[in-house]
Amino acid sequence: QKEVEQDPGPLSVPEGAIVSLNCTYSNSAFQYFMWYRQYSRKGPELLMYTYSSGNKEDGRFTAQVDKSSKYISLFIRDSQPSDSATYLCAMSFSGGGADGLTFGKGTHLIIQP
Amino acid sequence: GAVVSQHPSRVICKSGTSVKIECRSLDFQATTMFWYRQFPKKSLMLMATSNEGSKATYEQGVEKDKFLINHASLTLSTLTVTSAHPEDSSFYICSAPGTGGIDYLYNEQFFGPGTRLTVL
Repeated sequence: QKEVEQDPGPLSVPEGAIVSLNCTYSNSAFQYFMWYRQYSRKGPELLMYTYSSGNKEDGRFTAQVDKSSKYISLFIRDSQPSDSATYLCAMSFSGGGADGLTFGKGTHLIIQP
Repeated sequence: GAVVSQHPSRVICKSGTSVKIECRSLDFQATTMFWYRQFPKKSLMLMATSNEGSKATYEQGVEKDKFLINHASLTLSTLTVTSAHPEDSSFYICSAPGTGGIDYLYNEQFFGPGTRLTVL
């Protein structure tokens, strides 16, 4: 079983739709959970991070973590064509930057105008 | 936010040659940097942790003699792919944790733009 599972898509939705992206993981020691956005042949950019379980909202984006189920989600409201990109979930044991990140495969999201 | 650069952005080399990739933190210091590899339609996989002034720590399955890492200063880490083979062709990305964020528990990892290596 891979450490982090993420459906690679592609996921295609019409503009304005609510998008739900998900990851599951197996290692219960992960404490920090991140969502990154990556454009083709570029480095990932951090969208949001969450510590432990709970919800976090930032504008149109909401991140949810359920540690009991080992399941994390990213919701995008009022999706825009500019949101089209690959979304990567990532997680780490600590938040201080001492350890590298474990990534999901990434979901390719397409927002149709 | 903090900026991490990589050079070169793209390199093509012949099988058997060595290639050096640089990772620089432009406006902050990084005692630790990370190197990842990304194959098409695959996850970013952590290869190694680069530590300034000491030896790098490699992930299981990564050949330390093939992927030489040198963290020469607080702003520069280099990855040298020695005796490159076509199977080493990949997208290599580095990252460095920032400091002094608004959340004292979390230091954001800043990623470079990546280096596309093609070995012929």
